[in-house]
Amino acid sequence: NAGVTQTPKFQVLKTGQSMTLQCAQDMNHNSMYWYRQDPGMGLRLIYYSASEGTTDKGEVPNGYNVSRLNKREFSLRLESAAPSQTSVYFCASSLKGAGYGYTFGSGTRLTVV
Amino acid sequence: AQSVTQLDSQVPVFEEAPVELRCNYSSSVSVYLFWYVQYPNQGLQLLLKYLSGSTLVKGINGFEAEFNKSQTSFHLRKPSVHISDTAEYFCAVLTGAGSYQLTFGKGTKLSVIP
Repeated sequence: NAGVTQTPKFQVLKTGQSMTLQCAQDMNHNSMYWYRQDPGMGLRLIYYSASEGTTDKGEVPNGYNVSRLNKREFSLRLESAAPSQTSVYFCASSLKGAGYGYTFGSGTRLTVV
Repeated sequence: AQSVTQLDSQVPVFEEAPVELRCNYSSSVSVYLFWYVQYPNQGLQLLLKYLSGSTLVKGINGFEAEFNKSQTSFHLRKPSVHISDTAEYFCAVLTGAGSYQLTFGKGTKLSVIP
């Protein structure tokens, strides 16, 4: 039972570089989410996918793009990384809406220098 | 729009003492409330949730929370804490069970002192 798997766990980027954070879940959940966590800020929603084939912006979408590749996978892409995107990124999934409760991955710690 | 306020950023407490972590929310419509726990270097885990029914909700690891609509609060309590409860705790609010946007508070770091 892997749950939600995120790769990589750690990454250092130079300003302007691009990268994709991968997320996969094996619980047959319909909805998937990307959050970022910054000290003293809690978690803020970047993008979410209510179901396969749909994506929507959250609270802080600027500088990011997402792809719901299939029901299992939801990736987050940084096209041109900036130091302000240094953060811990969490992927989560839920059976349907958020009222069912999220299952979180273990996070990706990203540093942009 | 809804918001969540966790009134204490850090709470130190001695082992076997009781603890209360405070959470207030603001919303003009019906809400659904959650507490999540994050252990060091891990993702978040659901502790408990209030969707409807009894205002006293019991969760995992001996935690419970009480929904108080008149005071717009959802405080988390445990009668006797253990060292293993040292973690960061997040309150979160959802407007509408079909909604997809869970709004989190900024977190409360609970430190249990031996």
